[in-house]
Amino acid sequence: GENVEQHPSTLSVQEGDSAVIKCTYSDSASNYFPWYKQELGKRPQLIIDIRSNVGEKKDQRIAVTLNKTAKHFSLHITETQPEDSAVYFCAASNPLNSGSARQLTFGSGTQLTVLP
Amino acid sequence: GAGVSQTPSNKVTEKGKYVELRCDPISGHTALYWYRQSLGQGPEFLIYFQGTGAADDSGLPNDRFFAVRPEGSVSTLKIQRTERGDSAVYLCASSLTLTGAGTNNEQFFGPGTRLTVL
Repeated sequence: GENVEQHPSTLSVQEGDSAVIKCTYSDSASNYFPWYKQELGKRPQLIIDIRSNVGEKKDQRIAVTLNKTAKHFSLHITETQPEDSAVYFCAASNPLNSGSARQLTFGSGTQLTVLP
Repeated sequence: GAGVSQTPSNKVTEKGKYVELRCDPISGHTALYWYRQSLGQGPEFLIYFQGTGAADDSGLPNDRFFAVRPEGSVSTLKIQRTERGDSAVYLCASSLTLTGAGTNNEQFFGPGTRLTVL
């Protein structure tokens, strides 16, 4: 089955700096890669996702890049703000196992702390 | 509109007891997923429903775990003879199952049920 590894496990940055979180996956058939933000005691919320037919996607201060050959993808947050502090999870999905729906395999999470 | 809801928000039980966790998906979402999240870890897939049927239950850890979705909407996760190792946050998610190019069918998560087995 799919295995997703995520680094780093913790990341501290100064407000205004950029943050980068990296993930690798094992199943070359995976083609959908969402990123979720989870604040303490809250539910995971999708912040951005990318399909394997594109290499990069951007939404305001957040961007995701995908390298299918190397089987890794990254989350980039620019101009970080204290409210960006949370745990971020990457995930990968292989629809071959579940039809049109997508069973997600998650990374272990990155605790991002933005210092004011 | 209303998001995914789960009840109870917290459940404390004793080892060996039976528990039921409920999930109300977003109206119209045909796909429903159960995940388990242990402290400091990412959610781990348990089971996925497409309509009323369990399309994939490969993530259920053993036969003490069972889930149903009899009318294709609300789902109940049932755990028999609970063990201390079952303590975790149980998350439910739902999504549409549109097909075709460009459809990603985002999974919307509920707030979770925190299960503590003493």
